[in-house]
Amino acid sequence: QQQVKQSPQSLIVQKGGISIINCAYENTAFDYFPWYQQFPGKGPALLIAIRPDVSEKKEGRFTISFNKSAKQFSLHIMDSQPGDSATYFCAASNTGTASKLTFGTGTRLQVTL
Amino acid sequence: DAGITQSPRHKVTETGTPVTLRCHQTENHRYMYWYRQDPGHGLRLIHYSYGVKDTDKGEVSDGYSVSRSKTEDFLLTLESATSSQTSVYFCATGTSGRIGELFFGEGSRLTVL
Repeated sequence: QQQVKQSPQSLIVQKGGISIINCAYENTAFDYFPWYQQFPGKGPALLIAIRPDVSEKKEGRFTISFNKSAKQFSLHIMDSQPGDSATYFCAASNTGTASKLTFGTGTRLQVTL
Repeated sequence: DAGITQSPRHKVTETGTPVTLRCHQTENHRYMYWYRQDPGHGLRLIHYSYGVKDTDKGEVSDGYSVSRSKTEDFLLTLESATSSQTSVYFCATGTSGRIGELFFGEGSRLTVL
């Protein structure tokens, strides 16, 4: 079963626009929600993460919004740039269990000029 | 970068042959993981380790075994490779000091003919 559901599968945004990727989870024991960014031929790298005691976290142009009651969280990329073109994965973990991450299926983002 | 080296980076093999993928880390991280990445599935955990000689199964462990005889090395073995194991395999590490954050290698692309 897919414990973390991610949408959309792909996304095309114009330069300067806002990119929004959504995820939903099922396991209420999850207590850490990171987003990973992956460029072609590379491994994923941590972009930003949030814990369920806050509803929003912002780092530069990247913001996570978290809705604990709905079991949903999203990534917003403001002023999207061509260099942001990559695959983005949401994930979730119960940090009491060796930090095993359960990943969403990924969103391929393309930012056009 | 967490100093993670995967070998081989590319391998083509035939059905029924054994295959071993190696992950080597230089950061003395306690936790090590093997994930596989497939289109439409994101990254799925195969096996993980929480210390030398301490390993456990992930969500897609059938057909795979692992060993960790030293902190720095984590081996993934396919005893008898099948075409369904054609995938990109990623090793990741984690540390107790940064719970929930994983550091990924650059991947090993395996093709089983």
